[in-house]
Amino acid sequence: QTVVTQEPSLTVSPGGTVTLTCASSTGAVTGDYYPNWFQQKPGQAPRALIYSTSNKHSWTPARFSGSLLGGKAALTLSGVQPEDEAEYYCLLYYGGAQPWVFGGGTKLTVL
Amino acid sequence: QVQLVESGGDVVQPGMSLRLSCAASGFTFNSYGMHWVRQAPGKGLEWVVVISYDGSNKYYADSVKGRFTISRDTSKNTLYLQMNSLRVEDTAVYYCAKDEWELSHWGQGTLVSVSS
Repeated sequence: QTVVTQEPSLTVSPGGTVTLTCASSTGAVTGDYYPNWFQQKPGQAPRALIYSTSNKHSWTPARFSGSLLGGKAALTLSGVQPEDEAEYYCLLYYGGAQPWVFGGGTKLTVL
Repeated sequence: QVQLVESGGDVVQPGMSLRLSCAASGFTFNSYGMHWVRQAPGKGLEWVVVISYDGSNKYYADSVKGRFTISRDTSKNTLYLQMNSLRVEDTAVYYCAKDEWELSHWGQGTLVSVSS
């Protein structure tokens, strides 16, 4: 049973910088895992932010960036805005019969 | 613009069946793989199933394998999820998402509630 682990919660001050991580129970996350990141606000559908580690969608604000950091996928928010308060989910690709697994999500509080 | 509209959610008893639909517009439907993702009340996202752009490949989460079937109808630009032998733990909002690798666009979701 593959497990993808994210920080359950993080708090950041407005204007600050925060990094969310996404770890795999199978070992180091690489680009072959095609890390995706999604933002979800209460009562809304998820919104795609980052695909294939570091690629932004056309609507992704510049303050969001994706990378690999210390064997994990990472999502960094620089110059955090109050509207960034949300739940963030990563999604990793493992191939095989059950190819995709979501992380448990990180609740980001802007305070 | 890309639009995905799910429908078919309902309140059903355990053991019953339900078919969800996802009507797609604003893009070339038969060029993209599609996913179903679900979210139980107050819980995180759970990947359910993916279908390739041409319907030739389908992969399921272990939790639904053998009970759920994904399909697509190119003539209707619609994605389906046939859900059989429903369990209480299948209660969730079900979302469809476009693009096998990017899950770039999501519908608003449809609620399936399984309760006796």
